[in-house]
Amino acid sequence: SYVLTQPPSVSVAPGQTARITCGGNNIGAKSVHWYQQKPGQAPVLVVYGDSDRPSGIPDRFSGSNSGNTATLTITRVEAGDEADYCCHVWDTSSSHVFGGGTKLTVL
Amino acid sequence: EVQLVESGGGLVQPGGSLRLSCGASGFTFSTYWMTWLRQAPGKGLEWVANINQDESKKYYVDSVKGRFTISRDNAENFLYLQMDSLRAEDTAVYYCARDRSCSGVNCYYYDYWGRGTLITVSS
Repeated sequence: SYVLTQPPSVSVAPGQTARITCGGNNIGAKSVHWYQQKPGQAPVLVVYGDSDRPSGIPDRFSGSNSGNTATLTITRVEAGDEADYCCHVWDTSSSHVFGGGTKLTVL
Repeated sequence: EVQLVESGGGLVQPGGSLRLSCGASGFTFSTYWMTWLRQAPGKGLEWVANINQDESKKYYVDSVKGRFTISRDNAENFLYLQMDSLRAEDTAVYYCARDRSCSGVNCYYYDYWGRGTLITVSS
């Protein structure tokens, strides 16, 4: 089965840049999507198709995908960005696959 | 504004049944694939089942095949998940989400989610 690996946690100071990785075998050949989850709230799509942003998502959020690693980058991090972030791909043998999630802490 | 609101969660004994509902508003429900996902305590998200617009296609994760049934009512804008023979490992927050696809091979994602409803399977 296809596995996506994310670091459990990432910490960053306000105003700095956070990079959250999602590792998978040849993930660069797949389309990667990212969701933001805050406690008690509905998950929010922040990036789809590797690097596209839904309307309403600030351009501080961006995505890239190459080789065995996809990355969600959040520039000028704000306190309100503190959340869990999860990557997602569709794999022909495993169907929908999600990473374990990364907790972003804003120091 | 697109809204998805789940209901029907609660505490159920192993072997029991529950029916989850997801009310949809703010979009033309009948034109979208819809999905149920879940997240067990301290775990990552897991896709559970999805259904196409006219219920002719339904897919399930192996662990729930034969026990869960996804359905929808396009007239009332509701998505359902009938959960039978529940097990402790089914304990999770269950989310409904709207399916989307993008250009590119095998590009499927969820653009709107509900807040989820908690199912606890325990004696």
